Amino acid sequence: AQKVTQAQTEISVVEKEDVTLDCVYETRDTTYYLFWYKQPPSGELVFLIRRNSFDEQNEISGRYSWNFQKSTSSFNFTITASQVVDSAVYFCALSELIQGAQKLVFGQGTRLTINP
Amino acid sequence: ETGVTQTPRHLVMGMTNKKSLKCEQHLGHNAMYWYKQSAKKPLELMFVYNFKEQTENNSVPSRFSPECPNSSHLFLHLHTLQPEDSALYLCASSHSPLWNEQFFGPGTRLTVL
Repeated sequence: AQKVTQAQTEISVVEKEDVTLDCVYETRDTTYYLFWYKQPPSGELVFLIRRNSFDEQNEISGRYSWNFQKSTSSFNFTITASQVVDSAVYFCALSELIQGAQKLVFGQGTRLTINP
Repeated sequence: ETGVTQTPRHLVMGMTNKKSLKCEQHLGHNAMYWYKQSAKKPLELMFVYNFKEQTENNSVPSRFSPECPNSSHLFLHLHTLQPEDSALYLCASSHSPLWNEQFFGPGTRLTVL
């Protein structure tokens, strides 16, 4: 069965610090996608990134970067120079294909608090 | 305006009530989803609709009844709910149900008394 583990339940750092959110996944599929979503206090999940299983290149988008390591089944997310607005719950998710439809399996989420 | 809207944002209902949650997407997507987010549990997929046809029912109790009249609208009809059904119900849409990122609405916070 597919599984996503975000071992860090809560992280609290001071503004401008770098912070890494861990994500480890389990799957038997050779083709899959990994996602990160941000859930601010308003509730909606905001899509951040999608990565397919054949692309292990790291990605950087502004202060955000992602490190995909297939050998360790990890897809970690780093925020550089964190800001108060980064405070949210962050979810890592793994997709599986069931009956022709993609099903997202989410981790438990990591609550990130950035203190001024 | 956000691409996926949900109404109401908050709902309090008794166990004998019947209510409906509404979701509308303005993104031209063909697939829509209902998720349940309970405290201290991962997000759980409930239903998937692709081109108005239900393709996934993730063992959801019959007191939750989805309806998808067209690709832009999705409803979740609720009746005789239990207090443990209290949760944030999130709607999402994607271009297709295959490998695309899903875009989420703000959710409906449901409390069952």
